[in-house]
Amino acid sequence: GAGVSQSPSNKVTEKGKDVELRCDPISGHTALYWYRQSLGQGLEFLIYFQGNSAPDKSGLPSDRFSAERTGGSVSTLTIQRTQQEDSAVYLCASALGGGVTDTQYFGPGTRLTVL
Amino acid sequence: AQSVTQLDSQVPVFEEAPVELRCNYSSSVSVYLFWYVQYPNQGLQLLLKYLSGSTLVKGINGFEAEFNKSQTSFHLRKPSVHISDTAEYFCAVSPPGYSTLTFGKGTMLLVSP
Repeated sequence: GAGVSQSPSNKVTEKGKDVELRCDPISGHTALYWYRQSLGQGLEFLIYFQGNSAPDKSGLPSDRFSAERTGGSVSTLTIQRTQQEDSAVYLCASALGGGVTDTQYFGPGTRLTVL
Repeated sequence: AQSVTQLDSQVPVFEEAPVELRCNYSSSVSVYLFWYVQYPNQGLQLLLKYLSGSTLVKGINGFEAEFNKSQTSFHLRKPSVHISDTAEYFCAVSPPGYSTLTFGKGTMLLVSP
């Protein structure tokens, strides 16, 4: 079956512009995660959605970052007024359930470059 | 809070040689432990995980890891690597009952002929 897909695969934007990154999770997965992967920094947790519960936003680095998940499926990560330090690969993952014992399946990521 | 330290940013090895990728964690409570692999231009894929039971965990592609509670380590090993094992490897931890993982910074395994 289809895995997690993300779009666009690459995004180049100018400092100060807003960007939207999209994630299509595996069908039937109730949990969805966003991570940021910066060079040499590993994966940084951003936000977590589980079913209809309020999302865990504890990893969002600033109020310029927000995310939503519509209909329990597709998710969009929005970065407003982008800064050069936002340049990174943004990864989305989905899991069948909400506990860490459920394997997270990752998408290929969106590489964001802020000029 | 918990943290993960991957001591080596890069590990170069020759094909068919054994390899060990080191992972140490810090946590005030018990944890679950994971290794993920990221092949070039692909998303992360679960290699193996330790939840409970036997401290020696076997994963995909011939990898295994051993949980050592006294040394707070979860090192990843393979007795004979292939060129196709060239990838970045991430160790991750999470306490039971949590929903998110804390990842290390990754170790790039470079296998050459």
